[in-house]
This record gives sequence, structure tokens and C-alpha cells, in this order.
Amino acid sequence: DAKTTQPNSMESNEEEPVHLPCNHSTISGTDYIHWYRQLPSQGPEYVIHGLTSNVNNRMASLAIAEDRKSSTLILHRATLRDAAVYYCILMIYNQGGKLIFGQGTELSVKP
Amino acid sequence: DAGVIQSPRHEVTEMGQEVTLRCKPISGHNSLFWYRQTMMRGLELLIYFNNNVPIDDSGMPEDRFSAKMPNASFSTLKIQPSEPRDSAVYFCASSLQGIGYEQYFGPGTRLTVT
Repeated sequence: DAKTTQPNSMESNEEEPVHLPCNHSTISGTDYIHWYRQLPSQGPEYVIHGLTSNVNNRMASLAIAEDRKSSTLILHRATLRDAAVYYCILMIYNQGGKLIFGQGTELSVKP
Repeated sequence: DAGVIQSPRHEVTEMGQEVTLRCKPISGHNSLFWYRQTMMRGLELLIYFNNNVPIDDSGMPEDRFSAKMPNASFSTLKIQPSEPRDSAVYFCASSLQGIGYEQYFGPGTRLTVT
């Protein structure tokens, strides 16, 4: 399975931007980049996804490198409720939409 | 919509007993996924269905585990017989079929096998 690499943990201050990096050097041209997060004691929650172009939604922005070997999830103003484990996942074109979760990045937000 | 519904939310059972976990996907979604989460192994995909048909069950740990989807609005994950190492949180998720669609997760079932 295509693999992603993320830092184990990151810290942020409340109301500051957060940049969560992800490396996916083995990505192929048809693989989508998905981000999910899991708040404590909850199921994972979809955040954003993209293929080649940068993407924005109400939760976050996704910046994709030109060679697609890395991406960055951007939370524009972190709140205490954004403290969660963030997963960067490649959705493989010919595998029917399945997600293979790695260990993710545990984000802590300080007031 | 109520989202993905799972029942029960908590289950405590003794080793050797049969356990059945239930999932109702979001109406209109045609893909359904079962995951298991433990501290040691993280989130693992067990099996997924497209249009009620099992597509990939390579993550099912062993023959004690089985999953069915008799119709578009219901799926079960059964463990028979259960063992203490099956203790985990089991999540069900649903989505529209296809690579570009997000998955919606249920609240999970916390299973404890003593």
C-alpha cells in the first residue's frame, strides 16, 4: 500500500495557524490525498481531500506540492477543539475508495 | 440525516460468546466499511462493501470474523467465538462509491471481551 509519513506530534497555540506536513513520495498520478482527524473518543472525521490543485473548505486548506510527493494541511486559526490526531491518507485509484490509516499526527493546542 | 448509526455503543461479553455489531449507513451511500481500532495497531480496515457486495475482506483477522450486508441500509460484523484480543473499538463508515468521496464514520462500538 502507498505510504505516508507524518510527524508523531505537533503543538500549536490557540488562534495561530497550524501547518501539518505529510510526505507521500510513492504517490501515483491517480491517487487522491485525503485528510481525516479523530477527536478524543470519537470516530474519524473527514477534513479535506485533493488530487493536484490546492483545495480550500470551511475547515482547512490543503496545499499540494507541484510534484505531489508531499502535502500540507493548513488550519488557519487553531482552536482548542482542533486538538486531535490528524491522518494523511492516500486513496488508491484502483482500490475502490478504501482508506489505509497510518499513525497520524497528534496535534495539541495550547490556550 | 442522522449519520451512520452503530449499535450497541458498548458491549461487554465473556470469552467464547458470539458478538454481533450492527451498522446503518447514511441513506444513499453505496459503500460501507468496517474498521477496528486498538492502541497497539491503530485503525485497521477489516472489510468493505460496494452495493452490498464484499469487495475486499483481506483485513478480516481470521475465520472467527464475518460480515454481511443483506441490504443497502444494514450491515453486521459478527465475531464467533470472541476472544480477549478482540477487545477494541469497531467503527463503521459509509460513503458514495468511488475514490474521490469522503467517508462518514459512526460513533463506534466499544467491545470488551473478558
